[in-house]
Amino acid sequence: SQTIHQWPATLVQPVGSPLSLECTVEGTSNPNLYWYRQAAGRGLQLLFYSVGIGQISSEVPQNLSASRPQDRQFILSSKKLLLSDSGFYLCAWNDEHEQQYFGPGTRLTVT
Amino acid sequence: AQTVTQSQPEMSVQEAETVTLSCTYDTSESDYYLFWYKQPPSRQMILVIRQEAYKQQNATENRFSVNFQKAAKSFSLKISDSQLGDAAMYFCAGTNTGNQFYFGTGTSLTVIP
Repeated sequence: SQTIHQWPATLVQPVGSPLSLECTVEGTSNPNLYWYRQAAGRGLQLLFYSVGIGQISSEVPQNLSASRPQDRQFILSSKKLLLSDSGFYLCAWNDEHEQQYFGPGTRLTVT
Repeated sequence: AQTVTQSQPEMSVQEAETVTLSCTYDTSESDYYLFWYKQPPSRQMILVIRQEAYKQQNATENRFSVNFQKAAKSFSLKISDSQLGDAAMYFCAGTNTGNQFYFGTGTSLTVIP
């Protein structure tokens, strides 16, 4: 069966510090991968998606970037965090039936 | 562009009663997929139910069913025999190609004992 992992689960970082969030999927190959951000009490904002290694589509221009160095690994990064980057970050993949499955999320607080 | 609209920010239901959550999905495509996701306080997103636009039959998963009205672009979720564990945020979502998914703003469901 397929599983999706995210780490860390929680993170507190000062403004201006770098960020690296990691997502890995097991039990499938060449999945579409996604990064979403969810502000408190709000819906999901699509940040990036990837249909293959090295292929990244950005939905929201900002100080975040994404990379896919391996087939089942998706990384969200920033060189300098802003206060507005605080939120809940969700990684997801979708199967051949167009169903998305989500990781447990990372709660990021920028202080 | 695709638009997903959930017009009910909050809903409440008595335990064991039935509640319907509303959603509209506006797209120019004729083939697409629609979903309802549940997000409990743990914030784990859980797939509740899925509907293919080309299917005329409404999807059903145990106590959860949808009423899909393609012409009206309506995709509502009915929860029967509501349980305390159903309390959560519910998100409607859709995709045309499977590359990009669009989510509504969510409906917060409270179940009253």
